[in-house]
Amino acid sequence: GAVVSQHPSWVICKSGTSVKIECRSLDFQATTMFWYRQFPKQSLMLMATSNEGSKATYEQGVEKDKFLINHASLTLSTLTVTSAHPEDSSFYICSARDFGRLRQETQYFGPGTRLLVL
Amino acid sequence: AQTVTQSQPEMSVQEAETVTLSCTYDTSESNYYLFWYKQPPSRQMILVIRQEAYKQQNATENRFSVNFQKAAKSFSLKISDSQLGDTAMYFCAFMKRTGTASKLTFGTGTRLQVTL
Repeated sequence: GAVVSQHPSWVICKSGTSVKIECRSLDFQATTMFWYRQFPKQSLMLMATSNEGSKATYEQGVEKDKFLINHASLTLSTLTVTSAHPEDSSFYICSARDFGRLRQETQYFGPGTRLLVL
Repeated sequence: AQTVTQSQPEMSVQEAETVTLSCTYDTSESNYYLFWYKQPPSRQMILVIRQEAYKQQNATENRFSVNFQKAAKSFSLKISDSQLGDTAMYFCAFMKRTGTASKLTFGTGTRLQVTL
């Protein structure tokens, strides 16, 4: 149980284009999902908290107009990198919050999306 | 704000041996969770083990166990009978227990190499 998928796993795009990344909880409903960014050999940096049916909450320093988040259903959150530039190249990871049978809150992670902006 | 410190950037262990990864944290909260996540070369984050702060008993999951010292704010991970597949980056993480969305605060990670 508690499987999270992410699509695409790899994307290469030209500078100025927009890229959409999907995060799905496959076997549970997630009212809350999270989006992280990870630079090489570094830890995960939380970008925003995605709440189903409401606006996302962004961390300080993250441009909300640049990184659009939509959480339209209990199993899907999307991150759109708008007008991507080379400095947006990174590894993006989503996670979904699940409570499980024992009501133990845990975040389960997707496999990540590697974005390369040329 | 919470902070999580992993003071060992890299560690190495021989196959079948035991290794302990250290983690300390700083918080004024009394109700929280602690986690160890593993990130192998595939970069998929995998939950290894979780601990609830109110539980005195140390969590165990097969070959993985923790030594949770709440007063010292220490949460180390012991891997017994190390296997080549344990080679990965290991992240310690803290989660404040609240009624709303709970964020994870990660440490900087420890890269573990299991050798023959």
